[in-house]
Amino acid sequence: EAQVTQNPRYLITVTGKKLTVTCSQNMNHEYMSWYRQDPGLGLRQIYYSMNVEVTDKGDVPEGYKVSRKEKRNFPLILESPSPNQTSLYFCASSLSEVSYEQYFGPGTRLTVT
Amino acid sequence: QKEVEQNSGPLSVPEGAIASLNCTYSDRGSQSFFWYRQYSGKSPELIMFIYSNGDKEDGRFTAQLNKASQYVSLLIRDSQPSDSATYLCAVGSADSWGKLQFGAGTQVVVTP
Repeated sequence: EAQVTQNPRYLITVTGKKLTVTCSQNMNHEYMSWYRQDPGLGLRQIYYSMNVEVTDKGDVPEGYKVSRKEKRNFPLILESPSPNQTSLYFCASSLSEVSYEQYFGPGTRLTVT
Repeated sequence: QKEVEQNSGPLSVPEGAIASLNCTYSDRGSQSFFWYRQYSGKSPELIMFIYSNGDKEDGRFTAQLNKASQYVSLLIRDSQPSDSATYLCAVGSADSWGKLQFGAGTQVVVTP
């Protein structure tokens, strides 16, 4: 089954404790992206990757890091999480850039206390 | 900051009627436009994409694009209770392939 998986689905952590949210897709997609969704603000793009070793900033990259060492994986790293990073995070992938349909993962709800 | 604007709603639509959703964008050079549907607690899923001025129809959905006026709309004909969801407008950046901006979404409620 073609899918995008994210782990964990739910996470409660404390300020400053480094964490990684994993994202993996099994569709051999070149393009992957991370978004956060907050009430009233919609989806905001954090980082995206056009292919292995190619990443670029979205609209809200501050406080986040990403890497794309393999085509299927695109982890999101919060080196020192803060309460303002409490949000619902979605990973998405598509065949190529944004001209094609993006498939979204199930979401990761992160709470930073 | 380039923006994508949508009315937040809720837009209440009687079953069987037409739901009309609008979206405006500020980046005049944008070339790709998408409508996603998101049920409560679920991930967004693509309904339509449109690249050229005019109308594009897919089943009960019609996307309309007017680049000169910088708006894109979505019509849902014969609205069904299962259409009750939040509809997100997304616009591809003209500056950078890969960059995508979403509106905050319009909540649609279809009443039987």
